[in-house]
Formats: sequence, C-alpha cells, structure tokens
Amino acid sequence: EVQLVESGGGLVQPGGSLRLSCAASGFTFPDHYMDWVRQAPGKGLEWVGRSKDRAEGYVTVYAASVKGRFSISRDESKNSLSLQMNSLKTEDTAVYYCTSGRGGYPDYFNHWGQGTLVTVSP
Amino acid sequence: DIQMTQSPSTLSASVGDRVTITCRASQNIDSWLAWHQQKPGKAPKALIYKASNLETGVPSRFSGSGSGTEFTLTISSLQPDDFASYYCQHYYTYPLTFGGGTKVEIK
Repeated sequence: EVQLVESGGGLVQPGGSLRLSCAASGFTFPDHYMDWVRQAPGKGLEWVGRSKDRAEGYVTVYAASVKGRFSISRDESKNSLSLQMNSLKTEDTAVYYCTSGRGGYPDYFNHWGQGTLVTVSP
Repeated sequence: DIQMTQSPSTLSASVGDRVTITCRASQNIDSWLAWHQQKPGKAPKALIYKASNLETGVPSRFSGSGSGTEFTLTISSLQPDDFASYYCQHYYTYPLTFGGGTKVEIK
C-alpha cells in the first residue's frame, strides 16, 4: 500500500524559511515522479513543483509562483522527498500535499499524502 | 499556461441523481486529464486518469469521457459518500493546472 506522510509544517514569518519532508513507502521510490501540490485556506488546488524519476535524472520543474524560492530534492536512501521553501510570503500559506505518480509518461497525482499546514504570518 | 474551466462551480443534487461535471481546457490536451475527489478537511483522492480510466477501487458509478478540450465526469447514481468537491487536472505540459473545482451538495 502506498503511503505518503508529510511533516515540517508550522508558523513562519514573511521572509523566513521552512523545510517540508515527505516519507514515502509501498512503491519503488526512484521510479516514480513526485510532486508537491498546495491548497490555500478555502481555495482550490495549485501545483507547486515536481521531481521527475531516476531515469530522468530527478530533474525538477517548478510553478512560476515559487520558482527561485522553493527547491525540491530527494533522498533515495530514506525514500524521502523534501521541499525547501525560502523567502516565504503570506500568499504561500496553504496545506502542502506530497503526491506520487502512477508511473509512465506523462504522469499525474496518483496518490496523495494527508498534507501539512504552512502558515506565513507576521 | 493551459487554463482549466469547470462547470458548474456548485451543484445541488439528490441521492440517486445522475450528475455530470464539465471541464474545458484552453487548448488541446489529448486525453491527459485526471479527476480528483476531495472531502472537507481531507486530502484529495484520484478517481480517473487519462480521461476515462478508473483508479483501482473507485466505484463503477463514476465515469469519465472526452478528449482534446472537452471532458466530463459523470456519477450515474449519486450516493451519500459522493458529496464532495471534484477537480479536473491536466498533465499535458508544464505547468500542471487544476480546474477551479465543483462542489456537489445535498439538495
């Protein structure tokens, strides 16, 4: 059974940094795309960024709203995905979900974690 | 960027009703479309991928159709567990984008 468990959310001031983690299990971690998707309070879903699979060199792709501020990385040894968030803005306040792909190209958000809340406020 | 437009934004229906939600893409996305269901306070859950393929474990009352720019999600007979929000999402190119969502409410 696929499991994705996010951690690291919390309250941070504007301009600050935060690192989210996602522990993955139940599938072959290097062989699947991994994404971060967020949802601001009472709003819809917004894709944040992607780590492609090992075959594609774990290349990362980002939404324009976070490019240059956020960074995604993987730790194969721990089956873990991270989201480093710098220069945070109030509009980054959201629940952040870790997702995994089904496999194959192109790929979508096949499995979702439970989410972790990030609040950016003075 | 490809814009995804869902309609309606809210839908009131009764148990047993047939429900259809429409999703339009601002340009061709072939069949690279997924549908996700989200209940209040919970994470989304994938229902359908590649426009018409049901995820494992999803009831057969759910179906998806369409290609190109026009897509639909149909629930053939609405059940109490189906009252939720539904989002379409394309994965044709970057950035990946979602529709604004459709909330299915009890009539």
